[in-house]
Amino acid sequence: GAVVSQHPSRVICKSGTSVKIECRSLDFQATTMFWYRQFPKQSLMLMATSNEGSKATYEQGVEKDKFLINHASLTLSTLTVTSAHPEDSSFYICSATSLLAGAANEQFFGPGTRLTVL
Amino acid sequence: GDSVTQMEGPVTLSEEAFLTINCTYTATGYPSLFWYVQYPGEGLQLLLKATKADDKGSNKGFEATYRKETTSFHLEKGSVQVSDSAVYFCALRDNFNKFYFGSGTKLNVKP
Repeated sequence: GAVVSQHPSRVICKSGTSVKIECRSLDFQATTMFWYRQFPKQSLMLMATSNEGSKATYEQGVEKDKFLINHASLTLSTLTVTSAHPEDSSFYICSATSLLAGAANEQFFGPGTRLTVL
Repeated sequence: GDSVTQMEGPVTLSEEAFLTINCTYTATGYPSLFWYVQYPGEGLQLLLKATKADDKGSNKGFEATYRKETTSFHLEKGSVQVSDSAVYFCALRDNFNKFYFGSGTKLNVKP
């Protein structure tokens, strides 16, 4: 149980276009989802925390107009990279917190999405 | 701010060798500490955790002890297998449920 999926797993786009990445909790309800960004050989950096039905909380230095997050249901959060540029190329990972007893506050991670902007 | 530092990889070992991956942390409060593993093409999976000083987390032959005096949470395994080849991430969760991750250490185990 506690599986998180991401779609797509890889995406290549042209500079200036927008890209949407989906994060789904497949077998549990997630009140909170997190979006991370990972550069090669570097740590996962938290970008934002997303609570169902409310606005996302962005970390310092993350442009909320650039990285739009929507958490419309307890099983789906989306990250849209608007007007993508080559410097946005990265590995984006989502995670979700389950309401399951005994798993409170444990984060379950998706497999990640590799974004390449040409 | 809080942070996690772990040894750079890759670490290459022969099967049945002893493994240590060092992890140290900086935190202002009383964090919980975690090791996650990422196999190729998959998401991060929780390997083990410890929530307070002197706790030992263990799973699948891996162990790590929460050492407050040295602010460390080193990962160890007595005898690694080829199937242990993966990237290992040390992480801490602060009092506000925010996670901080190390940069990851790639482990290659050769038969």
